[in-house]
Amino acid sequence: QKEVEQNSGPLSVPEGAIASLNCTYSDRGSQSFFWYRQYSGKSPELIMFIYSNGDKEDGRFTAQLNKASQYVSLLIRDSQPSDSATYLCAVKAPGYSSASKIIFGSGTRLSIRP
Amino acid sequence: DTAVSQTPKYLVTQMGNDKSIKCEQNLGHDTMYWYKQDSKKFLKIMFSYNNKELIINETVPNRFSPKSPDKAHLNLHINSLELGDSAVYFCASSPLRGLAGGDTDTQYFGPGTRLTVL
Repeated sequence: QKEVEQNSGPLSVPEGAIASLNCTYSDRGSQSFFWYRQYSGKSPELIMFIYSNGDKEDGRFTAQLNKASQYVSLLIRDSQPSDSATYLCAVKAPGYSSASKIIFGSGTRLSIRP
Repeated sequence: DTAVSQTPKYLVTQMGNDKSIKCEQNLGHDTMYWYKQDSKKFLKIMFSYNNKELIINETVPNRFSPKSPDKAHLNLHINSLELGDSAVYFCASSPLRGLAGGDTDTQYFGPGTRLTVL
């Protein structure tokens, strides 16, 4: 079982609709969770982090965390063509105090169709 | 106002050669990292340094040797390059030691170095 699992997609969503991206993780001790966006040929950039159960909203983005189910999701409202990218779910591995060992999923490719 | 920079951006070389990639961050962060992203876009941590001290050393061939002369620089030297080393290598930094959750663990990535081994 992979440590962080995502559906590779591609996920195709019409412009203006809600895009829903999902992720599961295997280590129940994980405490911090991240969503990164990566455009083709570019480096990953942070969209949001979350570490409490429930929802966290930032503009058009909402991250949802359910530690009991070991599940993290990202909702993108009013999807725009500029949201077309690969979305990487990432989880901080427990047990490190002097650095952050971040485990990335393989990414979900999102395509917003006009 | 470059945050995390890497050189070179592209590196094309023959099997068996030795090459280095350099990374610098001007964010004042304590911790720096090397990641490898393969052709399937899977991003995997290789090494992490905190203020010149090696903290994370994943299962990486010992042909890969990181060096951190100071907390703003982390270089990666690769000996005897193999075809399977072809990938994009990202340097990253994070603000503090990974004591608290959330933004102190955020990884700030450099632009990447695309290594092609022929």
